[in-house]
Amino acid sequence: EAGVAQSPRYKIIEKRQSVAFWCNPISGHATLYWYQQILGQGPKLLIQFQNNGVVDDSQLPKDRFSAERLKGVDSTLKIQPAKLEDSAVYLCASSSRQGGSYEQYFGPGTRLTVT
Amino acid sequence: QKEVEQNSGPLSVPEGAIASLNCTYSDRVSQSFFWYRQYSGKSPELIMSIYSNGDKEDGRFTAQLNKASQYVSLLIRDSQPSDSATYLCAVYTGNQFYFGTGTSLTVIP
Repeated sequence: EAGVAQSPRYKIIEKRQSVAFWCNPISGHATLYWYQQILGQGPKLLIQFQNNGVVDDSQLPKDRFSAERLKGVDSTLKIQPAKLEDSAVYLCASSSRQGGSYEQYFGPGTRLTVT
Repeated sequence: QKEVEQNSGPLSVPEGAIASLNCTYSDRVSQSFFWYRQYSGKSPELIMSIYSNGDKEDGRFTAQLNKASQYVSLLIRDSQPSDSATYLCAVYTGNQFYFGTGTSLTVIP
């Protein structure tokens, strides 16, 4: 079974530029999550999708971050404009939620550096 | 108060010893608990999940949950150098997932 795919793996941009990340979850997983992990910290949930609907985006900085999951499969996360403090690893995870399981499986992440 | 608290460490144990990692959480309605292992520069990898009070064993790993004390732990028996990583505790409250900041474990050969 293929795991969660993410691209790009690394991105360097200047502040005020825009950037987009892509995620393809494990096949059949209805729930998709985007996390931000700053060095030395645990992952922080940005947004959670169930199929193509948003379940929770309470910690998404909506003035600059946006995300979509068209067709309930792959998803994109966008930052516009980027700030220095957005430098982090952006992790995508998915789960099936079948049988009451909330186990999440993570992709390799995208390391973003904002200069 | 943070939702999930872990000792940041670092925790050092000799090879073959038992490593004990602890986690406390603040939301009493939390219902699902997870331990992830994260190697430096890699993404988190699920190693254990536990949903009810008591112990759950999987190979060298044992997760322990005490909902009354709002405490979850991970024991690693016969620790190996390959277990050296950061261990993240995660809690699902029914609404949101929260991760701790992780405990860094070093197993000394």
